[in-house]
Amino acid sequence: NAGVMQNPRHLVRRRGQEARLRCSPMKGHSHVYWYRQLPEEGLKFMVYLQKENIIDESGMPKERFSAEFPKEGPSILRIQQVVRGDSAAYFCASSPPLGTGGVDTQYFGPGTRLTVL
Amino acid sequence: LAKTTQPISMDSYEGQEVNITCSHNNIATNDYITWYQQFPSQGPRFIIQGYKTKVTNEVASLFIPADRKSSTLSLPRVSLSDTAVYYCLVGTSAYSGAGSYQLTFGKGTKLSVIP
Repeated sequence: NAGVMQNPRHLVRRRGQEARLRCSPMKGHSHVYWYRQLPEEGLKFMVYLQKENIIDESGMPKERFSAEFPKEGPSILRIQQVVRGDSAAYFCASSPPLGTGGVDTQYFGPGTRLTVL
Repeated sequence: LAKTTQPISMDSYEGQEVNITCSHNNIATNDYITWYQQFPSQGPRFIIQGYKTKVTNEVASLFIPADRKSSTLSLPRVSLSDTAVYYCLVGTSAYSGAGSYQLTFGKGTKLSVIP
């Protein structure tokens, strides 16, 4: 069973460009979460999605950031008009449907390291 | 969300047992205690979770005293590959309906294992 997949692993963008980060959850998982991590810091929650629905986007910046999890295909975190402050590691996590047993363990991908020049 | 406090860093020699303590004085009745491990350039990995007393799995043990205001992650006989950042998280299960889906990470404890 493949783990959470993220691509690209490294992404370099110039200021003003768009960044698209992709996340494929573990097989059977219908919940996707995005987190951002700055150097020497813990992860900060950004958004929680289910298929075709944004459940909680309380951690997302109000502008330039958007996320989707379409019926088919990976979840996408999109950052428009990137600025240097967007440079960070972006992690995706997935979890199985609630109520299927166990506790709220989230399984993390390897992350995408975004560098804005 | 209950605030957690853990040491910023710890050093240990290979083969020793390492105990990392986390303080969570404001833990709520429905809160669980969860530990994640993060290697450099990787995403966090779930290690262990508990509610009270002691939990043990193939990787670690988690000790939780009766008042639940702290918890101790115990790693037996560490090796160089255990060098990582360890995060203590406290929160309510979303299954209960009152919990949060968000995992709240502090800065963690950076464990360095020395040969």
